[in-house]
Amino acid sequence: GAVVSQHPSWVICKSGTSVKIECRSLDFQATTMFWYRQFPKQSLMLMATSNEGSKATYEQGVEKDKFLINHASLTLSTLTVTSAHPEDSSFYICSASASGTEAFFGQGTRLTVV
Amino acid sequence: TQLLEQSPQFLSIQEGENLTVYCNSSSVFSSLQWYRQEPGEGPVLLVTVVTGGEVKKLKRLTFQFGDARKDSSLHITAAQPGDTGLYLCAGRTYKYIFGTGTRLKVLA
Repeated sequence: GAVVSQHPSWVICKSGTSVKIECRSLDFQATTMFWYRQFPKQSLMLMATSNEGSKATYEQGVEKDKFLINHASLTLSTLTVTSAHPEDSSFYICSASASGTEAFFGQGTRLTVV
Repeated sequence: TQLLEQSPQFLSIQEGENLTVYCNSSSVFSSLQWYRQEPGEGPVLLVTVVTGGEVKKLKRLTFQFGDARKDSSLHITAAQPGDTGLYLCAGRTYKYIFGTGTRLKVLA
């Protein structure tokens, strides 16, 4: 399957700071990227969908000013958690899809806000 | 809002047993994927089904897409401890919506 690389794998940050997570499609052009959040022992909850060159579409209840998503190229999307707080601690996962095909996932980023 | 309900949520079985996981929705999907996820890692794609009624086999795993493309099932034959993990279905419309997940544990 196609390769999607997510970086970093884990990050610890202080409350009030911002954290950027990168998602790269290494061997294909991703017209669409998705960002998910996963709580322990639960399924993935879609946060937002982004298409290259356009603004992300956020799911209901997701604060777009807090979770900034940029999809500047066909191989890179970033999620920035701004002014992070302990309740933002979670496992964040991206996936990337070429037009009309399956989505492939990154390995996830575990964010801990202290 | 979760549109895909998976059942059962948890399943603990002995090695060698068979099992079926169900993924149900009231929505029609253009395709449906099944993933398996290990703790601390991203989901790994197992299969994609596209056509209503389609059946795909992957070694001991059999996947079926419902005729109306609203539901799917995953059947595992002779389960092994290596099958342990979180199984997720995901339906695609203009985005991917994940099912509630089925946590499988296969005991040796």
